[in-house]
Amino acid sequence: SAVISQKPSRDICQRGTSLTIQCQVDSQVTMMFWYRQQPGQSLTLIATANQGSEATYESGFVIDKFPISRPNLTFSTLTVSNMSPEDSSIYLCSVKMPGGETQYFGPGTRLLVL
Amino acid sequence: SQKIEQNSEALNIQEGKTATLTCNYTNYSPAYLQWYRQDPGRGPVFLLLIRENEKEKRKERLKVTFDTTLKQSLFHITASQPADSATYLCAPEGAGAGSYQLTFGKGTKLSVIP
Repeated sequence: SAVISQKPSRDICQRGTSLTIQCQVDSQVTMMFWYRQQPGQSLTLIATANQGSEATYESGFVIDKFPISRPNLTFSTLTVSNMSPEDSSIYLCSVKMPGGETQYFGPGTRLLVL
Repeated sequence: SQKIEQNSEALNIQEGKTATLTCNYTNYSPAYLQWYRQDPGRGPVFLLLIRENEKEKRKERLKVTFDTTLKQSLFHITASQPADSATYLCAPEGAGAGSYQLTFGKGTKLSVIP
C-alpha cells in the first residue's frame, strides 16, 4: 500500500488566479494520476503524470489549463490555471504500485473559486 | 464510449440486513472490476477486485460477483452496520494490453439505519 498526502487540503481562490496542488507519496511509484470530482459527480481522470516526460491528458483536459509536473517517483504537482467558478471541485491524486492493480488515493484538495 | 451505471444514487437499509449495490457497464469488456468506498471529505479506498474469469469474491462481510454476460457486478454487504454508511464506487478497468486506467461510476450512497 501507499500513504499519500496532498497540499493544500482546501483553498478558496479568486477567479483568474492559479493554484498548485502537491501530491507526496511515501514510496516510489511508477504511475501517478490526477482526478477531478465535481459536486455530486464521480471521479474523472484528468491526466497520468509520467516521471521524466510530459503528462498524458484525457479528452477534455489540456496542458495549458492543468500543467502537471513529476520531478521524481514520489512527488507530483497539478496546477489549475486561470481559474473560473466551474473549476470548483475536489482534486485527487492517486498512485498505482509497481505490479499492482489497485489505486491508492490521497485525501483530496477541495477548491472553491469565487 | 464506455458507460458505467450504478443502480441508484442512494440506498437506505436497516442495520443487520444485506445491502446489494449494482454496477452495469456497456460498450466494452473489462479485464477486471474494482469496488471502492468513499467517505465524505476523503479519497476513495480500495475494497475488492474481481477478474473476468472469477464469478465471486469475498472479504469478511463483503461479496462481489461479476457476470460478464450480463455486463454486471453486484456488491453485497451482509449484516450491515451504521459504520458501513458511505458512497460505494464501481470501477471497471479497460481490457487489452497496456490498460491501466479506471473508469468510475457515480457511486451509490449507502445509509445504514440503526
